[in-house]
Amino acid sequence: QQQVKQSPQSLIVQKGGISIINCAYENTAFDYFPWYQQFPGKGPALLIAIRPDVSEKKEGRFTISFNKSAKQFSLHIMDSQPGDSATYFCAAREGAAGNKLTFGGGTRVLVKP
Amino acid sequence: EPEVTQTPSHQVTQMGQEVILRCVPISNHLYFYWYRQILGQKVEFLVSFYNNEISEKSEIFDDQFSVERPDGSNFTLKIRSTKLEDSAMYFCASSRTGANEKLFFGSGTQLSVL
Repeated sequence: QQQVKQSPQSLIVQKGGISIINCAYENTAFDYFPWYQQFPGKGPALLIAIRPDVSEKKEGRFTISFNKSAKQFSLHIMDSQPGDSATYFCAAREGAAGNKLTFGGGTRVLVKP
Repeated sequence: EPEVTQTPSHQVTQMGQEVILRCVPISNHLYFYWYRQILGQKVEFLVSFYNNEISEKSEIFDDQFSVERPDGSNFTLKIRSTKLEDSAMYFCASSRTGANEKLFFGSGTQLSVL
């Protein structure tokens, strides 16, 4: 029940295209859903996050869509750039659990010029 | 932007040896964490630490693991007797408060147990 399932495992997109990564969860106690971006040799860095009281959050070219009833959320990267090539992790946190994050398996995104 | 600093970046050790991984969290943060990532797998929570004690730990964090804040700046993870399966990237993280706060990760220590 603690799992967060992420798909696809990898994604190739042309420059200017849209990258879409999906995550699903079971634990209805999760109340915070961040996305992390990780470049090789670096730690995960917070990209954008959403709480279940909103259905969408946009920051620049990055948008999270959240479907509470389906227990799914997704990251959309608009106008993908080669510099967006990285591994993206979705995560979820249970409110009572401090900052204990449960991560998805990761999606390696390659943006081709 | 302030950073979480981890040393060393790479650590090679023999099975059964003790290792200490070191971290300097962001200076005004109060909550500290260790996560690990086995090659090709997801990032996994190990332990959270606040007010000089463990606040939560995962099933991975068994008696071979311990954490300590020996002074006002460092936060360490000790593995007493390393196993082959301890080989992973270990990430230290910190946050200003325990919830509803951005979690900052360090660049990690790649531990290789031979």
